[in-house]
Amino acid sequence: EVQLLESGGGLVQPGGSLRLSCAASGFTFSNYAMSWVRQAPGKGLEWVSRISSSNISTYYADSVKGRFTISRNNSKNTLYLQMNSLRAEDTAMYYCATTSGGGLADSWGQGTLVTVSS
Amino acid sequence: EIVMTQSPATLSVSPGERATLSCRASQSVNSNLAWYHQKPGQAPRLLIYRASTRVTGIPARFSGSGSGTEFILTISSLQSEDFAVYYCQQYNNWPYTFGQGTKLEIK
Repeated sequence: EVQLLESGGGLVQPGGSLRLSCAASGFTFSNYAMSWVRQAPGKGLEWVSRISSSNISTYYADSVKGRFTISRNNSKNTLYLQMNSLRAEDTAMYYCATTSGGGLADSWGQGTLVTVSS
Repeated sequence: EIVMTQSPATLSVSPGERATLSCRASQSVNSNLAWYHQKPGQAPRLLIYRASTRVTGIPARFSGSGSGTEFILTISSLQSEDFAVYYCQQYNNWPYTFGQGTKLEIK
């Protein structure tokens, strides 16, 4: 059974940094592209970033480009999202998801909440 | 960026009845369209991909259709567990984008 467990969320001041982690189990992590998708409170879904299975290709939404960095450690079965220069509008639940079929989020974690506020 | 527009924003339907949800893309996404639903306090769940292919384990009462810019999700006989928010998502071009959601509520 696929399991994805996010951690690292919390309260941070504007301009601050956080690093999210997503521990994966139940599948061959190194075979899957992975993504981060976020959802602001009471709002819809936004695909934030994607990384290829081999760590070669990365993609970012314009809203986070230059501030967020996605990475992975296939030996540790872990996905990361380094978030710098955080803004109030980055406040959201952040989900990690396996990504297949060119762009399908087919398994999701339960999310970690990031709140950016002074 | 491709904009996905869902209608209606809220749909009130009685259990056992049919629900029809619409999704429109601002430009063609071919058949690279997925549907998810999300229940309160839970992560979204993938239901349909490639516009009409059900994920393993998704009941046959869920069906998807369309291509290009117009897509439909039909739930043929609503069960209590189907009341949720439904999102369409295009994966034809990066950035992948979601519609704003349709809340399916009990009438």
